Amino acid sequence: SQKIEQNSEALNIQEGKTATLTCNYTNYSPAYLQWYRQDPGRGPVFLLLIRENEKEKRKERLKVTFDTTLKQSLFHITASQPADSATYLCALDMHYGGSQGNLIFGKGTKLSVKP
Amino acid sequence: DAGITQSPRHKVTETGTPVTLRCHQTENHRYMYWYRQDPGHGLRLIHYSYGVKDTDKGEVSDGYSVSRSKTEDFLLTLESATSSQTSVYFCAISGGTSGTPLKFFGPGTRLTVL
Repeated sequence: SQKIEQNSEALNIQEGKTATLTCNYTNYSPAYLQWYRQDPGRGPVFLLLIRENEKEKRKERLKVTFDTTLKQSLFHITASQPADSATYLCALDMHYGGSQGNLIFGKGTKLSVKP
Repeated sequence: DAGITQSPRHKVTETGTPVTLRCHQTENHRYMYWYRQDPGHGLRLIHYSYGVKDTDKGEVSDGYSVSRSKTEDFLLTLESATSSQTSVYFCAISGGTSGTPLKFFGPGTRLTVL
C-alpha cells in the first residue's frame, strides 16, 4: 500500500531563515501532491498543490517541488516568521482522471520559528 | 472554516452508546469526507460521499456508518462507541474534480469515549 513519510516530526529554525520540509512516498507517484497547514485545535488549511508533471510551484513565500524520480516533495518557506509556526501536512492524491479526490496524509512536521 | 461547520464541537460519551456527528456545508460541494486524527497518525479517511445517498468506505471505516440525505449534510454515526474511537474528527468538502484541493476542513469535533 502507498506510504507517505514526513521525515521530521519537528523542525526549529530562526526567524528570517528558510524552512525546508520533506515529504517522501513509496510505490506509485500520486496524480497530485498537496500541502496543508494546521494550527492547534483547528482543521487543516490548504496551501499549495503540485501536479505530477510539474517540478515547482510558488505562492508568495512558499515554494513546493516535486521529484517523481526521488519520490519526494520539498516544501520551503522563505524569510520565515514566528507566525509561520504550525504543523505542515503533506497529502497525496492517488486518483487520476477525475475521481473522489481522496487524500493520503502524512503525520505532519511541526515547525517552530523562533524570533 | 467559513462554509463548513461541525456539531457538536466537543462530546464525552460512554462506551456502548450511539453517537452522531454532523457536518454541514453551505458551499454546495459535491464531495464530503470524514477523517479522524490521532497522535502518531496522519489524518485517516473514515467514509466519504460523492453525492446525495452515495457513500463509500475509507481506510478506517469499521465501527462507523454515514448518511447523506441532503447535499449540505453529512452525518457520521458510531453505532456503539468504543474507547478506540476517542479522537478528533474532521469533516472536509471538495469540489470533486481530481486534484481539486480539499478546500475546506471543518473546525473538528473532539470525541472522548469513556
